[in-house]
Amino acid sequence: DIVMTQSPDSLAVSLGERATINCKSSHDLLYSSNNKKYLAWYQHKSGQPPKVLIYWASTRASGVPDRFSGSGSGTDFTLTISSLQAEDVAVYFCQQYYSKPYTFGQGTKLEIK
Amino acid sequence: DVNLVESGGGLVKPGGSLRLSCAASGFSFSQDSVNWVRQIPGKGLEWLASINHVLDYKYYGDLVKGRFTISSDNGKTTVFLQMNSLRADDTGVYLCARDVGDGDLGHFDLWGRGTLVTVSS
Repeated sequence: DIVMTQSPDSLAVSLGERATINCKSSHDLLYSSNNKKYLAWYQHKSGQPPKVLIYWASTRASGVPDRFSGSGSGTDFTLTISSLQAEDVAVYFCQQYYSKPYTFGQGTKLEIK
Repeated sequence: DVNLVESGGGLVKPGGSLRLSCAASGFSFSQDSVNWVRQIPGKGLEWLASINHVLDYKYYGDLVKGRFTISSDNGKTTVFLQMNSLRADDTGVYLCARDVGDGDLGHFDLWGRGTLVTVSS
């Protein structure tokens, strides 16, 4: 199985500042046949369903504010929130969909400093 | 408005069974894959099973293979997870999610809120 390791486990950032979350995969998530990286980022707020933010490692999902961005190589990925807003308090997790079983990072709890 | 609603969770004794449902609202699953995922405190998210309605294929994680069965109704509006031989470490919140993307592999574009399963004597 592909192991996804996120860092940090928790993060406190001041409003308006940048937040960066990392995700490392034990396997290259780039399919050379289509040049796509099979990595997604989700936001999970308490009491709500998880919401996809980023897929194909860097494609922003519909309706997601442009302060959220994703980047990375085949094994090391980053979710960046350029200017933290109060409504961004949540748990963020990455997922690989390169192969089944799909696997997830352990989650990063983001709070306001 | 499209959403997913899980139901069927509850308290069950070790060795018992439960059947979870994932109902689609505002669409049908006929062209989609649907997954069951569980969230266990301290362990994050675990993918359990997937049903691909286009390929008519089912996948299971090693944790639940042989104990859990995924299926759907004829109208492809509800996906079920039959859980047998439940153990204490199956306790958690069970969520369903729709899978979109590239053939048989995709990210989850729609999730439910989950239903709580507690396995305890």
